[in-house]
Amino acid sequence: AQSVTQLGSHVSVSEGALVLLRCNYSSSVPPYLFWYVQYPNQGLQLLLKYTTGATLVKGINGFEAEFKKSETSFHLTKPSAHMSDAAEYFCAVSGSTGNQFYFGTGTSLTVIP
Amino acid sequence: GAGVSQSPSNKVTEKGKDVELRCDPISGHTALYWYRQSLGQGLEFLIYFQGNSAPDKSGLPSDRFSAERTGGSVSTLTIQRTQQEDSAVYLCASSYGGQGAVDGYTFGSGTRLTVV
Repeated sequence: AQSVTQLGSHVSVSEGALVLLRCNYSSSVPPYLFWYVQYPNQGLQLLLKYTTGATLVKGINGFEAEFKKSETSFHLTKPSAHMSDAAEYFCAVSGSTGNQFYFGTGTSLTVIP
Repeated sequence: GAGVSQSPSNKVTEKGKDVELRCDPISGHTALYWYRQSLGQGLEFLIYFQGNSAPDKSGLPSDRFSAERTGGSVSTLTIQRTQQEDSAVYLCASSYGGQGAVDGYTFGSGTRLTVV
């Protein structure tokens, strides 16, 4: 079975500061891991994903995440926050059947000017 | 179409009424997924279609929920005898082939259902 835990339902950072959103997963098979972003009144947009290969993956809008198997983590980072980064962020792990995501409960990011 | 289209974007219904939510996936995407997003919670998987068949409907919460897909394209999620706990945003997503959970889905903007 797969599951995802996102630590911190709300994170606030100052504009220009480091963004760190935490995600830990549980999976009985090699995981595929994803981060999605949801802006108000919109659907989810894929930020980045890890399937195989390089453990540090880069996504859109300057975000990146590192897969750490030993820590079962896939934390999302961005060196310098922009006001436009304010949104809800979801971490997800794919299911063993390959057709279903298990999502975390989301982290709401606020950027303070 | 260029993206996943869902209609209506907002729906307010009275308790006990039936509702139909529509999803029009990206042209050529054979896989289609329905998720439910309740306030303060993550996304809950409802059902997965490959073509017109639903190999995984394990997430449907009760027999009041049903979904169909015709012509390998448009899907309709029907909720009968709606209850207040059905209030949520219903998200549809599609992917090419059955590898959505590898390649990632494309999500629609969702239908916000409010049961009063």
